[in-house]
Amino acid sequence: GAGVSQTPSNKVTEKGKYVELRCDPISGHTALYWYRQSLGQGPEFLIYFQGTGAADDSGLPNDRFFAVRPEGSVSTLKIQRTERGDSAVYLCASSSDTLQPQHFGDGTRLSIL
Amino acid sequence: GENVEQHPSTLSVQEGDSAVIKCTYSDSASNYFPWYKQELGKGPQLIIDIRSNVGEKKDQRIAVTLNKTAKHFSLHITETQPEDSAVYFCAASIRGGGTALIFGKGTTLSVSS
Repeated sequence: GAGVSQTPSNKVTEKGKYVELRCDPISGHTALYWYRQSLGQGPEFLIYFQGTGAADDSGLPNDRFFAVRPEGSVSTLKIQRTERGDSAVYLCASSSDTLQPQHFGDGTRLSIL
Repeated sequence: GENVEQHPSTLSVQEGDSAVIKCTYSDSASNYFPWYKQELGKGPQLIIDIRSNVGEKKDQRIAVTLNKTAKHFSLHITETQPEDSAVYFCAASIRGGGTALIFGKGTTLSVSS
């Protein structure tokens, strides 16, 4: 079956702009996670959804970052007033429930000019 | 705060040799420890995981050991092959429940033939 799908694969935008990054989890997976990976580093946790609700958003760096999952499947990570420091690969993962392994997509490479 | 230390940062071996990567974690509540392999331009791929009620787990050429008292866990790859070359990340669950993961900084493994 299909794995976790993330779109776009690459996004280049100017400082100050708004961006949306999309994640399609593995079908039937109720848990969804967003991570951010900077060059040469491991992924850093941002937010976790169980169903439609954000069960843990403690990793979001500030209020410019927001994520939704309105129907418990597709999720969108939204970044307002982007800054150059937001440049990174944004990874999405899903699992069949919170006690099961997380499977990652290939990420969206975000570049803020 | 919570932390995962991973060593070495780079590892070069000859084909057929064994490779060992070690990690330590700080959160005594961590109970789930996955290992991921990441190739260039791809998302992390789960290769093996272990839970805190088990001391060792093996899957073909890959094994993981866990010492909860010392807060250490290690990845062992035997009979390495050139296709094992990649960046490897260890991770530990934080805040209980196996939800958010905290990752090490990665080990770049190079297997030469």
